[in-house]
Amino acid sequence: SQQGEEDPQALSIQEGENATMNCSYKTSINNLQWYRQNSGRGLVHLILIRSNEREKHSGRLRVTLDTSKKSSSLLITASRAADTASYFCATARSGGSNYKLTFGKGTLLTVNP
Amino acid sequence: GAVVSQHPSWVICKSGTSVKIECRSLDFQATTMFWYRQFPKQSLMLMATSNEGSKATYEQGVEKDKFLINHASLTLSTLTVTSAHPEDSSFYICSARVTQTYEQYFGPGTRLTVT
Repeated sequence: SQQGEEDPQALSIQEGENATMNCSYKTSINNLQWYRQNSGRGLVHLILIRSNEREKHSGRLRVTLDTSKKSSSLLITASRAADTASYFCATARSGGSNYKLTFGKGTLLTVNP
Repeated sequence: GAVVSQHPSWVICKSGTSVKIECRSLDFQATTMFWYRQFPKQSLMLMATSNEGSKATYEQGVEKDKFLINHASLTLSTLTVTSAHPEDSSFYICSARVTQTYEQYFGPGTRLTVT
């Protein structure tokens, strides 16, 4: 079964508003990563947060990780129309030779101008 | 961030033919690359993990004789879809992992259409 599950599946907001997407997972992880995908394009790496970290920032992005609840959130502040895309969380259960990412179903974010 | 390229970006082929897709890490070496498949409006499904100089590790349900993977160098992995059928039509995305940081960078994807 898939490791990550994003919530909500779709989110529509106005430009300037903040967007929050959540991700839940089922097993222990080594790290959790967030990606953005524009329609029909490849994935763009946004942030990686390790299991021993609780929060990371990158520009207008803020990611939190709660390993006790097995959940993560991605906050995009002051959203722009260009932020319209699908956002995926991906989890890595372990490092080393068995390392691989498992993706959630994604949240489709629409930012209306 | 690191750059991963894929070639071709789209390809149309006839049933029964084979198609090769290339994945290159342009500014870093990748001992491990991954191949994913994505259907419209769905998430990425890992097909196989490609390790430089060794055989690929396929996920359950993925036919290794149909999806041939070769990771001949630290910057190049190839996926060959053999005897393609219309149900193989999909968006194929490769990814290369930065060994030290575990970050994965993705190629722009290849749209395969089998007629």
